[in-house]
Amino acid sequence: LAKTTQPISMDSYEGQEVNITCSHNNIATNDYITWYQQFPSQGPRFIIQGYKTKVTNEVASLFIPADRKSSTLSLPRVSLSDTAVYYCLVGYGGATNKLIFGTGTLLAVQP
Amino acid sequence: GAVVSQHPSRVICKSGTSVKIECRSLDFQATTMFWYRQFPKQSLMLMATSNEGSKATYEQGVEKDKFLINHASLTLSTLTVTSAHPEDSSFYICSAVEGQGVTDTQYFGPGTRLTVL
Repeated sequence: LAKTTQPISMDSYEGQEVNITCSHNNIATNDYITWYQQFPSQGPRFIIQGYKTKVTNEVASLFIPADRKSSTLSLPRVSLSDTAVYYCLVGYGGATNKLIFGTGTLLAVQP
Repeated sequence: GAVVSQHPSRVICKSGTSVKIECRSLDFQATTMFWYRQFPKQSLMLMATSNEGSKATYEQGVEKDKFLINHASLTLSTLTVTSAHPEDSSFYICSAVEGQGVTDTQYFGPGTRLTVL
């Protein structure tokens, strides 16, 4: 059974680096891993996407090990405005290449 | 770029009525659009995949006769909740991709809060 799991919540302080993991044991061979940020009553906002190894953009880094069964979103120097729910989105192949959102991680950044 | 809009942002209706939600890709053509439903403090659950010019593909457990999806153009998909009941109250979110592949990046609309009285 395809499942995408994340820690329920994480706490951090301003200026710290935060790493959020996502477990996706049955990820499809050709599928990418995408991370989104969601604020209350808003649609998810794209953060970063990757297939393997490491991807970096202006807001985050994404680390994917060789077996691709997990991934880690890294947010450098978080601020209060980074308090949100973070989701990974993974495809599991099959006839419809079913896409499954992770369970979501509520990141609470404190001053 | 990659902006997706939804209308309305919030709707309250009486039980038994139908509600239509629009999803538009504003600056790109979306061959594929997805419709999700999100209950409070839960993750997004995929309801259906909508491809322009063809019938939508519904996820298991989603009634296609209750949640009517029309993707008549490359920039517009609509979701109609027919004969809405209080249990249909939820946050409905659409997303759009430019290509056919589901590995393409999804860009999400701002969501529509549906409350059925």
